[in-house]
Parts: sequence; structure tokens; C-alpha cells
Amino acid sequence: KAGVTQTPRYLIKTRGQQVTLSCSPISGHRSVSWYQQTPGQGLQFLFEYFSETQRNKGNFPGRFSGRQFSNSRSEMNVSTLELGDSALYLCASSFSGYNEQFFGPGTRLTVL
Amino acid sequence: AQSVTQLGSHVSVSEGALVLLRCNYSSSVPPYLFWYVQYPNQGLQLLLKYTTGATLVKGINGFEAEFKKSETSFHLTKPSAHMSDAAEYFCAVSASNPGGYNKLIFGAGTRLAVHP
Repeated sequence: KAGVTQTPRYLIKTRGQQVTLSCSPISGHRSVSWYQQTPGQGLQFLFEYFSETQRNKGNFPGRFSGRQFSNSRSEMNVSTLELGDSALYLCASSFSGYNEQFFGPGTRLTVL
Repeated sequence: AQSVTQLGSHVSVSEGALVLLRCNYSSSVPPYLFWYVQYPNQGLQLLLKYTTGATLVKGINGFEAEFKKSETSFHLTKPSAHMSDAAEYFCAVSASNPGGYNKLIFGAGTRLAVHP
């Protein structure tokens, strides 16, 4: 069974631009969560989607948004990029609310 | 609210020695607890988890952890370290309800170095 895939793996943007990251969960998984990992703040929960609905949200500004499609694939969008948005963005999928989350390899975003 | 504290950002052991990585949590609801490992340039891999039942949990690669409610701890141990164990380890907590289960709150991480 294929694992969680994230595209692209690496991304370089400049301040003020916007970016869209994609996550394809494991087949059959309906929950997708997003996390931001930085050296200073560590791993922080962004949001979780289940059956196309946002079920949980972390403490991030409105510039961070996401969505989930009917095939459970998810995208997250960051608008008006800031230098501090440089991070590894990790996506995780699980079957439902009580199952193990499987993480993808992440997308490393660099904002110049 | 939930939080996790990992004592020691860096731990160094000799190959064959005991590995002990410390984790304390705070949770206003019954917690679910996890240990994840991250190798360079990779995502997170689940080592083990505690949800309910037996408080001593065995995971992959010879790791185990014990949930101690009275001490609010969930320390990770391995009797004998191997060079391949060198990585960063994260303790995480989530709420035991369907809506909160997938919202993992992570500790700051402990980088484990294993010396020959």
C-alpha cells in the first residue's frame, strides 16, 4: 500500500507570494492533518480535515488555510508569505478518529 | 489544554547502553500518548502509543514506554542502543475524543546520539 505522498518536496518562494501544498493520503484514509515544523517552534498542529470538513484547527493566522477533496486528497494554502513561514510542512493521514496517523515526508518551504 | 515537556534536548549514549528519553504531559482530559521518531529529511514514524489498557506499551525496534498517571509521565526506554537508533524523538499527546484524537501536541523533541 502506498504511503502518504506530499508534493512538491521542496519549494522556494519570496515574501508576499502565496503557495499551495498538496497531500495524498493512504488509500481509504479519510482524515488528513497538517503540521508545521520549525527549529524555533517545533512541531505545531495546523488543522485536520475529515470527510471534506475541517474538524480541528490550531492557532495559526488566517493566512493559513486548507481544504479536502472528495477523494480525501488535501491542500493547504499560505497567502502573503512571510520569512517566518519557512518550515517543513508535514501531512498525516488516518482512517478515522481513533486510528494511527501516518506521516508523509513533508514539503520544505523556504521563503526568501 | 494539553502540553508535553521532554526533558533533555540532546541525549548521548554508547552503543549497547540503556536509552531513556523522558516525557511529561499535561492534559485536562484522559490523554492518548505517542512517541514518534524522525530521521533526517524524513517524516515522522510512530514508535508506540498508549490509548487505554495496559500501561506498559511495547513498540517497534525494541522500544517501550510506561504510562504513569500519578507522575504524568510517559518515558521511552530501550535496553540496548544501536547505532541506527540515532534520530530525533518526539513525545506527543492528544485528546481521547474523536474530534481531538488527531490533534497531536508535540514536545520539543530529543535528539539521540549513539556512540560506538
